[in-house]
Amino acid sequence: GAVVSQHPSRVICKSGTSVKIECRSLDFQATTMFWYRQFPKQSLMLMATSNEGSKATYEQGVEKDKFLINHASLTLSTLTVTSAHPEDSSFYICSARRASGGAINEQFFGPGTRLTVL
Amino acid sequence: DAKTTQPPSMDCAEGRAANLPCNHSTISGNEYVYWYRQIHSQGPQYIIHGLKNNETNEMASLIITEDRKSSTLILPHATLRDTAVYYCIVIKTSYDKVIFGPGTSLSVIP
Repeated sequence: GAVVSQHPSRVICKSGTSVKIECRSLDFQATTMFWYRQFPKQSLMLMATSNEGSKATYEQGVEKDKFLINHASLTLSTLTVTSAHPEDSSFYICSARRASGGAINEQFFGPGTRLTVL
Repeated sequence: DAKTTQPPSMDCAEGRAANLPCNHSTISGNEYVYWYRQIHSQGPQYIIHGLKNNETNEMASLIITEDRKSSTLILPHATLRDTAVYYCIVIKTSYDKVIFGPGTSLSVIP
């Protein structure tokens, strides 16, 4: 159990276009999902926290108008990279938190989406 | 939140135990130690977590010092598939964000 999927796994797009990445929790409900970005040979950087039915909370330095996040249901969050440029090329990873009712932080990660902007 | 310090890289011979250290000297009493790993080009994978007692599961063992200022993740019989970046993270509650540091890049050598 506790599987998180991402779609697509890889995407190549032209500069100036927008790209949507989906994150789904397959067998549990996630009131909170997170989006991370990872550049080569670097650690994961948290971009934003997505709460079902409300606006996402962005980390400092992350442009909310560039990285649109929608968390329309308890199992789906989407990240749209608008007007993508080559510097947006990165590995995007989502995670979903399962509410455990206790102190344990049950956060499960997706397999990642490799975005290449030409 | 408490921060952690890990060595940037380690090597381990295949079949031997891999012992990955983590310092978290400013950890507070209600903060847990979590370990994740990330195999190249994959999403992070949860390994184990603990508060103050040593823990063991099918993947690894976690040894936390009595003063809780450091811990060690032990992979008892490392295989080539254990080559990954290992992250030690301190988390207070179930609602904390998971913030990754640089981690330790473990290379298991044949």
